[in-house]
Amino acid sequence: AQSVTQLGSHVSVSEGALVLLRCNYSSSVPPYLFWYVQYPNQGLQLLLKYTTGATLVKGINGFEAEFKKSETSFHLTKPSAHMSDAAEYFCAVTAYNNNDMRFGAGTRLTVKP
Amino acid sequence: DSGVTQTPKHLITATGQRVTLRCSPRSGDLSVYWYQQSLDQGLQFLIQYYNGEERAKGNILERFSAQQFPDLHSELNLSSLELGDSALYFCASSPAGRPQETQYFGPGTRLLVL
Repeated sequence: AQSVTQLGSHVSVSEGALVLLRCNYSSSVPPYLFWYVQYPNQGLQLLLKYTTGATLVKGINGFEAEFKKSETSFHLTKPSAHMSDAAEYFCAVTAYNNNDMRFGAGTRLTVKP
Repeated sequence: DSGVTQTPKHLITATGQRVTLRCSPRSGDLSVYWYQQSLDQGLQFLIQYYNGEERAKGNILERFSAQQFPDLHSELNLSSLELGDSALYFCASSPAGRPQETQYFGPGTRLLVL
């Protein structure tokens, strides 16, 4: 089975600063990796995903993530934080042989003015 | 708006009772997923249906059951409710139910068991 670990339950950055949210995965087969965002009182929305091909994946709202197999990581970055980025972010993993999507515990991002 | 609808938005009930949560997938999506989000357990996959058939099962309790109807809407039935069942229940849908597909989440049903 697959699993993900998100390092840091809370991350706080200043507006305009780099956003880095960390995710490490465990999988015995090639993984499919996802980042979802959850705004207060809303459902989850996909930011980006990696399935195959290019390891640097670009998503919505200026976010991107790089799949690094050697480091079993899929960290999420954004060069410049906006106030509207404040939300909870979830990393998730599945695989070709497994529909059981496993989510990390989430990272709450706070953006300070 | 993801196109996935869930009803009701909020539900308050008592221990021992039974409730039904309803989900309508995005137009054209054949697969429906159910998730439970709680403070202590986080987001957990419960069960997946594809075109009316169960496709994958996660951490779903025996007191819980689900089904997907011919019109593709789905219902999650929770019975003999306990205080610990209080959580946010999400439904998601995807076109063909493949693991690499994007899942589109509904706004959730917040269940409070008193």
